Amino acid sequence: EPEVTQTPSHQVTQMGQEVILRCVPISNHLYFYWYRQILGQKVEFLVSFYNNEISEKSEIFDDQFSVERPDGSNFTLKIRSTKLEDSAMYFCASSDTPGIPKETQYFGPGTRLLVL
Amino acid sequence: KQEVTQIPAALSVPEGENLVLNCSFTDSAIYNLQWFRQDPGKGLTSLLLIQSSQREQTSGRLNASLDKSSGRSTLYIAASQPGDSATYLCAASGGYQKVTFGTGTKLQVIP
Repeated sequence: EPEVTQTPSHQVTQMGQEVILRCVPISNHLYFYWYRQILGQKVEFLVSFYNNEISEKSEIFDDQFSVERPDGSNFTLKIRSTKLEDSAMYFCASSDTPGIPKETQYFGPGTRLLVL
Repeated sequence: KQEVTQIPAALSVPEGENLVLNCSFTDSAIYNLQWFRQDPGKGLTSLLLIQSSQREQTSGRLNASLDKSSGRSTLYIAASQPGDSATYLCAASGGYQKVTFGTGTKLQVIP
């Protein structure tokens, strides 16, 4: 069964460094998402992306964050200058039919980011 | 703004027991409601999706119901097994991509 993959599974970085989290969505999907989950807290929506542009973003997704689809298969989340509070599990998701009742977003296994 | 709440936050039951997890949401204008399973340190596994026009969905020992008018969904697990131990999340989709998650119910099934 097709699945969303994410790399790396774990990343440790120093505060102020840039990180890029990578995702390979399901191949025929056109809509992509990033979520994050701080330890012990809810999964939170960050951003959605379609047709090479951001469709919607949350208040969390500030200027330190950016997303890109650099080629036909990858979808990346970049954090420009990491802060301690960026430590979280980051989930990528994709779907093929957003905005209709039977839309299902398929989630990747996540990247655990630790900022020291 | 959609708020999703799950009760209880944690639940411990003996193996074989039937159980019900509860989810409530504040905005009834949802497209669908989805139940996920999350194992410690792992990603999200979709269990069931109920469309807004549906009342329930079943998959094996799992049954999820949806009552939009009251803003509630329940996940029923029959004949629980130790392998069911995980955190269960419900998530409401308000249409156009944004999914709002609940805080989860951590389930422990004791052999």
